[in-house]
Amino acid sequence: QQQVKQSPQSLIVQKGGISIINCAYENTAFDYFPWYQQFPGKGPALLIAIRPDVSEKKEGRFTISFNKSAKQFSLHIMDSQPGDSATYFCAATVTGGGNKLTFGTGTQLKVEL
Amino acid sequence: DAEITQSPRHKITETGRQVTLACHQTWNHNNMFWYRQDLGHGLRLIHYSYGVQDTNKGEVSDGYSVSRSNTEDLPLTLESAASSQTSVYFCASSESEAETRAKNIQYFGAGTRLSVL
Repeated sequence: QQQVKQSPQSLIVQKGGISIINCAYENTAFDYFPWYQQFPGKGPALLIAIRPDVSEKKEGRFTISFNKSAKQFSLHIMDSQPGDSATYFCAATVTGGGNKLTFGTGTQLKVEL
Repeated sequence: DAEITQSPRHKITETGRQVTLACHQTWNHNNMFWYRQDLGHGLRLIHYSYGVQDTNKGEVSDGYSVSRSNTEDLPLTLESAASSQTSVYFCASSESEAETRAKNIQYFGAGTRLSVL
């Protein structure tokens, strides 16, 4: 049972464009939603995270939009660059749940020149 | 600098053999996790530990075991390797929730690519 559904599986964006990756969750107990970025041959690394008490969080070119009523959240990468080409995972966890993360299936992003 | 290292980076084995993947962290984190990464499935939790002598099963634990004899290491053992266990394995660590509520960051190793032939 996939508790966090992520789409699309792959994405090609032109340099300077906006990359958008969407996630939806089922467990209403989830209260922390991180995004991890993974480059080829490397392990995932935390990129940005949000708690459901805010609808948006921005860090540089990366923004998380959160819709609690729809149980959806998305990652927007503004002015996408070739260096952003990586696999992105959304995740969710429950505070008090031992810091166990439930990951989405991942999105392979390629930013073309 | 603190880090988390996995070894070997690549491993080829035969079905039925026992295989152990090493994970060593110098963060002094209580929490350690093992995941497998497969296309279309993302990262799935195999086993995890909240401290020495503590181990717990994740969602895909069948055929795997772990032991935690010290804070730094959480080796993952495949008791009898199967072709379905061909995957990329990641180890991660984090502070315990008692130490920090504000950050639930997991730090990942670079992974071990395992092929079972």
